[in-house]
Parts: sequence; C-alpha cells; structure tokens
Amino acid sequence: GAGVSQTPSNKVTEKGKYVELRCDPISGHTALYWYRQSLGQGPEFLIYFQGTGAADDSGLPNDRFFAVRPEGSVSTLKIQRTERGDSAVYLCASSPLPLSGVMNTEAFFGQGTRLTVV
Amino acid sequence: GIQVEQSPPDLILQEGANSTLRCNFSDSVNNLQWFHQNPWGQLINLFYIPSGTKQNGRLSATTVATERYSLLYISSSQTTDSGVYFCAVDSRGSQGNLIFGKGTKLSVKP
Repeated sequence: GAGVSQTPSNKVTEKGKYVELRCDPISGHTALYWYRQSLGQGPEFLIYFQGTGAADDSGLPNDRFFAVRPEGSVSTLKIQRTERGDSAVYLCASSPLPLSGVMNTEAFFGQGTRLTVV
Repeated sequence: GIQVEQSPPDLILQEGANSTLRCNFSDSVNNLQWFHQNPWGQLINLFYIPSGTKQNGRLSATTVATERYSLLYISSSQTTDSGVYFCAVDSRGSQGNLIFGKGTKLSVKP
C-alpha cells in the first residue's frame, strides 16, 4: 500500500486477555519499528526489526510483550495477560533502510492502534 | 542514552502569527526528524533534517548539529497547524531507533 497500515484501529479487551496488533509496512521497507504512546507523552520505542530478525528489543517492557516478522514484511505485536497499564496507542513505523549509520533514510508511521484494557 | 528536550511544551497562537519550536539533543545524531501529530493521532513527516536548513511552504527547519539543536519555524500559522509537534533523533550510538522528545502542543486560535 501507499503507507504504513495498522489494524485494528481500535481494540478494547478485558484485563488478562491476549491481543495481537498488526502492522503492514510500506512495500520494500526493510526496517520496521514498534512504539507505544501514552496520553500526553511522546512515542516510546519498543522493538525494531531488520528483515525478519529483531535487531533491538530493548524497549519491550516485560516478557508479556512479543513481536514477530516472519517473512520480513508484516509484523504482529503480541501482548499476553493484558493489564490496564498496557492501555496506549501502539504505533508502527517503517523505513527503507535501518536508520542507524545511514543518512537520508527516514521513518514513516502508521495511524496507530488504540488499545484499551478494561 | 540520548536525551531529547523540546520547548516550549505548550504554545497558543493567534491565526497568522509566527512561531519557533526548539529541540535540543544530548549527543551526535545521524537522523533528526520533525513530525506533526494531528488530532487523529497520525504522525505526519515534516522534515528529515540531521543538519542544515530546509523549507516547505510555511514551514522551515534548521539543525545546527555541532551545537546539538534544531528549530522548526511556522509562519502565518493556521488553525490546521494545531496539534503536537515532535522532534525525534537517532543517535550515532544507537542501534537504529528514533528517540522522541515530549513534544510541543500547538493551539492556533481563529
């Protein structure tokens, strides 16, 4: 597609349930990023993929969070045993090349998935 | 890790006014981007500007990499400019992810 696509746009789930959030990056972009944005804050980095592998997962808050990108394109962020504190907007971004050490490459963001845990 | 500070945190303007938003960062950067987050939450790319000056219509940006700051200029502001403006950087010591500031919330009144 023309831009980064995220589904669903909104997700309401009960505490303790499992959720999956999907990101479809811009075609041909090798790097994919997940961020989480709480109300009134800037996006916070969660995990970054280069191709199929997670190049940096240092932002994942705990082992309830996991992400995959099995074919190097679409990615799924998975949250187990959701807690009310997980409520936030989850943003996905992609870039043609990894940002680090490469000039003239920029990241483009999707519209986000608003997750509400009740 | 790298620190990104944006100022002011909030800004209220009358339509037609000009403004300057600032982004300070604590380390050398490979990548610096300015984004506008609209009321629907979408992050819109404004500028990719790790150094130098760029202009796009009523918006322009300047990054002085040696002094570790960037400025975003908005001229003749319009109500549609309202939203949150974020600066994000990728430091040379990082693995490749963008670190965001807390943003400047701009409200343009008619």
